[in-house]
Amino acid sequence: GAGVSQTPSNKVTEKGKYVELRCDPISGHTALYWYRQSLGQGPEFLIYFQGTGAADDSGLPNDRFFAVRPEGSVSTLKIQRTERGDSAVYLCASSFQRGETQYFGPGTRLLVL
Amino acid sequence: GQNIDQPTEMTATEGAIVQINCTYQTSGFNGLFWYQQHAGEAPTFLSYNVLDGLEEKGRFSSFLSRSKGYSYLLLKELQMKDSASYLCAVRDSNYQLIWGAGTKLIIKP
Repeated sequence: GAGVSQTPSNKVTEKGKYVELRCDPISGHTALYWYRQSLGQGPEFLIYFQGTGAADDSGLPNDRFFAVRPEGSVSTLKIQRTERGDSAVYLCASSFQRGETQYFGPGTRLLVL
Repeated sequence: GQNIDQPTEMTATEGAIVQINCTYQTSGFNGLFWYQQHAGEAPTFLSYNVLDGLEEKGRFSSFLSRSKGYSYLLLKELQMKDSASYLCAVRDSNYQLIWGAGTKLIIKP
């Protein structure tokens, strides 16, 4: 596609439930990043993929968060046993190669009730 | 630790010029980015500086001084559509982006 796409655009769930957020990067971009952004804050780094592998997952807050990118293109961020504090906008970005300009998707707004 | 500082909010008048400052302390430096983010939307890339000096791109310019750990974004001929948050991000020695909290710019007629 022309840009990074993310689905769903909004997700409302209940505390304790499992959610999956999907990111489809720009075609040909090898690097993919997940961020979390709260109101009035900058993006908070979660995880970075180079190809199929998670090259840096140091930003994942705990083991409830997990992400995959099995074929080196689409990525899924998975959150188990959601908590109210997980409510935020989850942004995905991609770049042609590591370190180059990142282009963001529209984000998924997650609300945990 | 790593730190990016920007003013929380600024107000300017349509047609005027505004300068948004960013100071940083990071583990290494491999470039500085400015992004624009309208409310409820994703950040969009504005500019990139890796060497000292001024980079001009239309109404927007960005300046970098690596020795001072300082950058600014200059917006000229302000338009109402420039009302947005402006995010400063530094790429550190691990090529990870460290983000500031953003500066909310309010343009008044």
